[in-house]
Amino acid sequence: DGGITQSPKYLFRKEGQNVTLSCEQNLNHDAMYWYRQDPGQGLRLIYYSQIVNDFQKGDIAEGYSVSREKKESFPLTVTSAQKNPTAFYLCASRWANTEAFFGQGTRLTVV
Amino acid sequence: GENVEQHPSTLSVQEGDSAVIKCTYSDSASNYFPWYKQELGKGPQLIIDIRSNVGEKKDQRIAVTLNKTAKHFSLHITETQPEDSAVYFCAASLDTGRRALTFGSGTRLQVQP
Repeated sequence: DGGITQSPKYLFRKEGQNVTLSCEQNLNHDAMYWYRQDPGQGLRLIYYSQIVNDFQKGDIAEGYSVSREKKESFPLTVTSAQKNPTAFYLCASRWANTEAFFGQGTRLTVV
Repeated sequence: GENVEQHPSTLSVQEGDSAVIKCTYSDSASNYFPWYKQELGKGPQLIIDIRSNVGEKKDQRIAVTLNKTAKHFSLHITETQPEDSAVYFCAASLDTGRRALTFGSGTRLQVQP
């Protein structure tokens, strides 16, 4: 079935550690997005990519990095520079200005 | 950039009643307005969307209305059922620039049996 797969579902990060969240899609979408969701809040855009080998900062990019080496994959690295990384992270993809499809999310917790 | 405001933040209705959630947007160039339903611990799923060339769209118990002049759009759910209980998000995007969806802050809908 076509869709977006995020892994892992749960992730624990120690202080000062970098962690990478995986996002893979087989929908043949050009555009992919990373959002952060805090409890009781909406989704805020971290990074987005509209084409392979190109990506742009969203509204809250500080402390995060991404890569887009393949159309299907858009991994997000949460670096040690992100001081408050505990959140629910959602990856999405879409074709042009149409429906965005979301993965099931990764819950990141600092321990 | 675009800013989307959503009200109310929580909404409790009796089963069978109607529920209405309202959103306003700031960028008059936005032309795509989806509504997403999110269940606990899961990713959002599209329930209905509307484009700026249409004023209303309906899908069974769910409808969305759009007022471009006032820059607001609303979700209407009729004959609510307990399984409608979830968090609902509105969003807006446009055809140019980053084309990313800008989301409202969400409405937690509770349908009481």
